[in-house]
Amino acid sequence: AQKITQTQPGMFVQEKEAVTLDCTYDTSDPSYGLFWYKQPSSGEMIFLIYQGSYDQQNATEGRYSLNFQKARKSANLVISASQLGDSAMYFCAMREFTSGTYKYIFGTGTRLKVLA
Amino acid sequence: GAVVSQHPSWVICKSGTSVKIECRSLDFQATTMFWYRQFPKQSLMLMATSNEGSKATYEQGVEKDKFLINHASLTLSTLTVTSAHPEDSSFYICSAWGRQGVDSPLHFGNGTRLTVT
Repeated sequence: AQKITQTQPGMFVQEKEAVTLDCTYDTSDPSYGLFWYKQPSSGEMIFLIYQGSYDQQNATEGRYSLNFQKARKSANLVISASQLGDSAMYFCAMREFTSGTYKYIFGTGTRLKVLA
Repeated sequence: GAVVSQHPSWVICKSGTSVKIECRSLDFQATTMFWYRQFPKQSLMLMATSNEGSKATYEQGVEKDKFLINHASLTLSTLTVTSAHPEDSSFYICSAWGRQGVDSPLHFGNGTRLTVT
């Protein structure tokens, strides 16, 4: 079973519009962490936002917010006021402790294209 | 701060030879490092979790005898691809947590592109 699922291989959004990138996860660790990263065509991984499993409020970082629905095991990334520079690959990731070790697993990613 | 340096950036080797990739945390101590493999336009596939002073924990399907990981110090982890074959050609990335530990984002090395001829 997939630990991290991103069901949208690709998304388009008009510049200045908001877009939601979906992410669902599965873990038996009660103390897990969820992260979103951006990978532009240059290849580097850029950290965007973090949500801890015990955090009561949804995380926000500038134009990025994380819609955390714990019961549904979803952690969707919302990008508001999209910019052309937001065009990139976006990965959802989960940190969990399982089988005696930490694991840090990435989803398959969503390629976002912002249209002018 | 929290810089991870990975070397080499790229390497070409002949089939059957071994290649060592180094991952160093330059300004912090990394008790845990993660090694990933990334195919073009695909996600990062976790290969193993490397813990300082102990054996690495490999993901299912990753051959531990082929991909040797050593985390001998708090600032250095190495991945050795032994008896490399063309199918091992890929982009390998190491990463480590920053000073804040498990709640902090990963800091990534710049990756190593391995081409086996």
